[in-house]
Amino acid sequence: QVHLQESGPGLLKPSETLSLTCSVSNYSISSDYSWGWVRQPPGKGLDWVGSISPSGDTFYNPSLQRRVTISADTAKNQFSLRLTSVTAADSAVYYCARLRVVVKTANYYFDFWGQGALVTVSS
Amino acid sequence: SYVVTQPPSVSVAPGKTARITCDGDNIVTKSVHWYQQKPGQAPVLVIYYDYERPSGIPERFSGSNSGNTATLTITRVEAGDEADYYCQVWDSKLIFGGGTRLTVL
Repeated sequence: QVHLQESGPGLLKPSETLSLTCSVSNYSISSDYSWGWVRQPPGKGLDWVGSISPSGDTFYNPSLQRRVTISADTAKNQFSLRLTSVTAADSAVYYCARLRVVVKTANYYFDFWGQGALVTVSS
Repeated sequence: SYVVTQPPSVSVAPGKTARITCDGDNIVTKSVHWYQQKPGQAPVLVIYYDYERPSGIPERFSGSNSGNTATLTITRVEAGDEADYYCQVWDSKLIFGGGTRLTVL
């Protein structure tokens, strides 16, 4: 069973940079699946942040594109999220997840999720 | 940009059938995926490709997609099905519906 675990600071000040890492077990991130981040503000719905393919290609939610970077470290079997210039609106639980992508049929869905990491932005 | 809309809440008595809808313009042309999220937990995929069930998901969960509406159907609803349910599609970006809170009366 694929296992994902988020890690990173839980408290940031406005204008700082959010950095989270997702450690993946029991599956190589350089194999067939893509990987991604989804966030959920307290009491609200799910919001896709962005994803990275096995070859390292990235694709982001246009609403966050100017501030977000997703990268992968295949040696450590980890991928990371970096979000710059955070504000209170970026406070959320951040989930990492495995993304099944079938480009030919435009199918993209998450089949395994981490437990989530709460990030709070407050001065 | 493409929008999918879910009812905020659905209530159903135990043992009955719950139907949660996901509306979008000509959504039948897209594959719809559904997630269940219980309080304090990560989402779990319950339906993919409109109607396929991942292993471990009970047969009580089924999906359909027609016209402008995709539907998640849960038969013989149990107290443990109480959760938020989200539909999701791809339209140049990954899009989630706003979520539906299923309450078991």
